[in-house]
Amino acid sequence: IAGITQAPTSQILAAGRRMTLRCTQDMRHNAMYWYRQDLGLGLRLIHYSNTAGTTGKGEVPDGYSVSRANTDDFPLTLASAVPSQTSVYFCASSAGQGSSYEQYFGPGTRLTVT
Amino acid sequence: GQNIDQPTEMTATEGAIVQINCTYQTSGFNGLFWYQQHAGEAPTFLSYNVLDGLEEKGRFSSFLSRSKGYSYLLLKELQMKDSASYLCAVEDSNYQLIWGAGTKLIIKP
Repeated sequence: IAGITQAPTSQILAAGRRMTLRCTQDMRHNAMYWYRQDLGLGLRLIHYSNTAGTTGKGEVPDGYSVSRANTDDFPLTLASAVPSQTSVYFCASSAGQGSSYEQYFGPGTRLTVT
Repeated sequence: GQNIDQPTEMTATEGAIVQINCTYQTSGFNGLFWYQQHAGEAPTFLSYNVLDGLEEKGRFSSFLSRSKGYSYLLLKELQMKDSASYLCAVEDSNYQLIWGAGTKLIIKP
């Protein structure tokens, strides 16, 4: 059982390019999340999905988009990358939304925008 | 605004006890989580508190006081493998997690 997988592990991207970060979970979790983690800052929520077919904006959604066509996959797209999007990106999932549902995290994607 | 405060870094000795504090100000409160994150790895769940008091789980315990907006994570019998960052997160009224920047714990022999 893999849990949550993310691809790629790391990427160097030229500014202005389009990039999709992939996230797949095999736990049949309803809720999925995308976070970015920057040095000295806490994890910040980019977008989330409470169930397949629905998505919502988190704290820092600008420049990012997501889709949730099925339960397992939750890709994150940067339409036109900028250097400030250099970060470590974590995908996470939970069985449901709300208290007591712990989140399970993927291994992360380290993205550098030059 | 929403704010979670934790010390940036702490140092402790192998075999000792350490307490990591977290204070929070959030729009609503639906629970508080502690996660552990080793360098270069993903966060992993440690504990969850929604009621005031102490929750014990092996060598780790977590305490919550909702009236004070305060929690702590207590680690006993420290081992070298406990060297990691410890993240405090509060679930707000929108059921979203607000995360602290984390406390880097350094364990010395």
